[in-house]
Amino acid sequence: DGGITQSPKYLFRKEGQNVTLSCEQNLNHDAMYWYRQDPGQGLRLIYYSQIVNDFQKGDIAEGYSVSREKKESFPLTVTSAQKNPTAFYLCASKGMLVTGELFFGEGSRLTVL
Amino acid sequence: GQNIDQPTEMTATEGAIVQINCTYQTSGFNGLFWYQQHAGEAPTFLSYNVLDGLEEKGRFSSFLSRSKGYSYLLLKELQMKDSASYLCAVKDSNYQLIWGAGTKLIIKP
Repeated sequence: DGGITQSPKYLFRKEGQNVTLSCEQNLNHDAMYWYRQDPGQGLRLIYYSQIVNDFQKGDIAEGYSVSREKKESFPLTVTSAQKNPTAFYLCASKGMLVTGELFFGEGSRLTVL
Repeated sequence: GQNIDQPTEMTATEGAIVQINCTYQTSGFNGLFWYQQHAGEAPTFLSYNVLDGLEEKGRFSSFLSRSKGYSYLLLKELQMKDSASYLCAVKDSNYQLIWGAGTKLIIKP
């Protein structure tokens, strides 16, 4: 079945460590997105990519990095420069439907100890 | 600034009807989405409105008034599985999504 797979689902990190969250899709979508979700707040855009080998900063890109070497993959690295990284991270993709709806992965919950 | 307002939490009874409101102030408007998100899971698409009026899809309906910057999601014949957060999102003039904080809906038997 087509969909978006995020891994790991849960991740614990010590302060000062970089971690990479995986996002893979087999929907043949060009556009992919990373969002951060915190309690009591709307989803906030970290990075997005419209095509392979190109990506743009979102509203809260500081302390994060991404790559888009393949259409199917859009990994997110949370660096030690991110001051408050504990959050629920959601990856999404968008196809060519008129509505432009997003398809989300199951999410990755990162906890910094 | 851009802003989307939704009630934080609502409670309703199984079998009843509930209306979740969303008001928005954004730089331009190119459509409004409603998503459902169960705790700890991914949001799933419910509806999309770009023109004024009511869109009905089974037990769920969504209404839009662009002149008032207002939308609502109507859920009928509530079931326990409808307990979830409901997210409102607006596509602005740059086609970027602005998200509300979500409304947590609690269904009681």
